[in-house]
Order: sequence, then C-alpha cells, then structure tokens
Amino acid sequence: SQQGEEDPQALSIQEGENATMNCSYKTSINNLQWYRQNSGRGLVHLILIRSNEREKHSGRLRVTLDTSKKSSSLLITASRAADTASYFCATDDTNAGKSTFGDGTTLTVKP
Amino acid sequence: SQTIHQWPATLVQPVGSPLSLECTVEGTSNPNLYWYRQAAGRGLQLLFYSVGIGQISSEVPQNLSASRPQDRQFILSSKKLLLSDSGFYLCAHGNTEAFFGQGTRLTVV
Repeated sequence: SQQGEEDPQALSIQEGENATMNCSYKTSINNLQWYRQNSGRGLVHLILIRSNEREKHSGRLRVTLDTSKKSSSLLITASRAADTASYFCATDDTNAGKSTFGDGTTLTVKP
Repeated sequence: SQTIHQWPATLVQPVGSPLSLECTVEGTSNPNLYWYRQAAGRGLQLLFYSVGIGQISSEVPQNLSASRPQDRQFILSSKKLLLSDSGFYLCAHGNTEAFFGQGTRLTVV
C-alpha cells in the first residue's frame, strides 16, 4: 500500500509563479525524500529531509517537514517551463527499512 | 561516480512469452537494489529488493521473479507474461537516496 499521498494530483501554473505540493504519510519515518520524474523517464532525487529537520533548501526548492502532522511540502519558487514534471514524495519507514512512494503530483508550468 | 544501466528501454512481448530485464550498477559495491513497477499516472510499486547476492525479498505476489547473480546485477524475469504485466519498470540502487535507471516500457500484447 502507498504510504505517501501527494496533494494536489495535478497542478498547472504560469511561468514565474510558485508551485506548492504536499505529501502526507501514515507511519513514523527516518526521512522523507522528494523526487522528480520527466515523462517516460526514471526518477531523479531532489532533496532529502530527515525526521529531526523542519526545513531544507536547495536552489529554488524548499522542503518542510511536520512530523506531528505527518506531512511535508515542496515549494518550487519562480517556476520555469522546464520544471514541468511529476513530483513524488518517498518515505523511509522506520520499521520497513525501505522507501515507499506516493502517486505523485503532476506539475505543468506554462510559458 | 555511480551509474545504473537498465535495458531495453521499450519492449513489446506476446502473452505467454518469457521476460528478462537486466539492470547493472557501476561505481558502488554491495548496493541495495530494487525493482519497481509504475502504472500510468501512478506512483511506484516496489516489486523486489535485494541487499546482497542471492538475497531477494518479494513485496507483492505476482507473475514475476528476480535474481541477483552478481553484486551489481539485478534481473527481473517471468516465465509466462500476462497482459496485466504491462507497465513501466524501474530499477534503482541506493540505501537512503535512490538512483534510478531510465526504465523499461513493457507492453504485453
């Protein structure tokens, strides 16, 4: 079964706007990761946030983690058409020892 | 640097035929290896993972099997494909952060 659930399922914005995607999960985790997938390709790791961290930045990406609410958000600032892709969160379950992926958010950035 | 190779990129196979997808990893020793399947518009479903040669854990009952004959080689197989085996198959390696291959689009006809 899927651990992480992304919200929204699809998001369409104009270039230059910010995009926010959310992920909720159910069990205790060691860390949470965000991945990006261009259509028909493999996934590319974007950022990892550990369970004892609350916020992390990488370039135009900002990830937050709220373990009390079992949720995370990915913010992409100043979006570009090239950011168009599907974004997945993956949780590293403390008991399972492996990552579980959500169904992803499909982001479309219109030029 | 670490590199993961997965082939073929696309594959069309008739129902009842066998399957063999190969994945190899470079630049790392004793990697954890994974096979995922992705249905259209969905997330990744973990099929198999391996922490070492000959060690395979199956996550879901299915028509597929996996083998790890060498440290950096992971093979996904089937003796007789079903229509429901169609999908996008991804190989990955890593302990915390996962590195993915480019995927194989399998269509069973």
